[in-house]
Amino acid sequence: AQSVAQPEDQVNVAEGNPLTVKCTYSVSGNPYLFWYVQYPNRGLQFLLKYITGDNLVKGSYGFEAEFNKSQTSFHLKKPSALVSDSALYFCAVRDYDYKLSFGAGTTVTVRA
Amino acid sequence: GAVVSQHPSWVICKSGTSVKIECRSLDFQATTMFWYRQFPKQSLMLMATSNEGSKATYEQGVEKDKFLINHASLTLSTLTVTSAHPEDSSFYICSARNQLAGVSEQFFGPGTRLTVL
Repeated sequence: AQSVAQPEDQVNVAEGNPLTVKCTYSVSGNPYLFWYVQYPNRGLQFLLKYITGDNLVKGSYGFEAEFNKSQTSFHLKKPSALVSDSALYFCAVRDYDYKLSFGAGTTVTVRA
Repeated sequence: GAVVSQHPSWVICKSGTSVKIECRSLDFQATTMFWYRQFPKQSLMLMATSNEGSKATYEQGVEKDKFLINHASLTLSTLTVTSAHPEDSSFYICSARNQLAGVSEQFFGPGTRLTVL
């Protein structure tokens, strides 16, 4: 079965500092990986995805993610965090039947 | 493009009543929609896959008779929580698969907060 893990429940950074949210995956075959962000009482917003190609994927709102096959990781990054980036972030993997399995989520808090 | 709406955004009901939640793809056709449940500060758990014109497929542990899913058209899926109880209180989120969006992306609705008294 496909799965992802987010080892950190919370990440706290100062505004302007780099932000990294970690995700590792376990899949059979080629991974289809996604990052989503959720604001309070809202649905999920798509940030970026990795299907194939370049290991560095650029997404919305200045976010990017690096696919690392040897480490089975897909960490989300932003060079300079904003207070408005404070939210709940989910890593997900897509199965062959298009079902998504989500990680537990990481709460990001960016302090001014 | 690729907007998914849910109605209502929140609902409060008495124990024992049934509640219907609608999920609509506004600008694309979705043969497949997914229903998720999310408890506070937790991840999304897939409940069922809704297929247009056929029966929904439920994940293990999800009661089919409790959570009725109907996908009568290419733009609408409904989730009915029957005989709701306080433990059914949760945030319910749907997503719709856009098969024309390259690799069949899922687009998520804004969610419905259900509170059962």
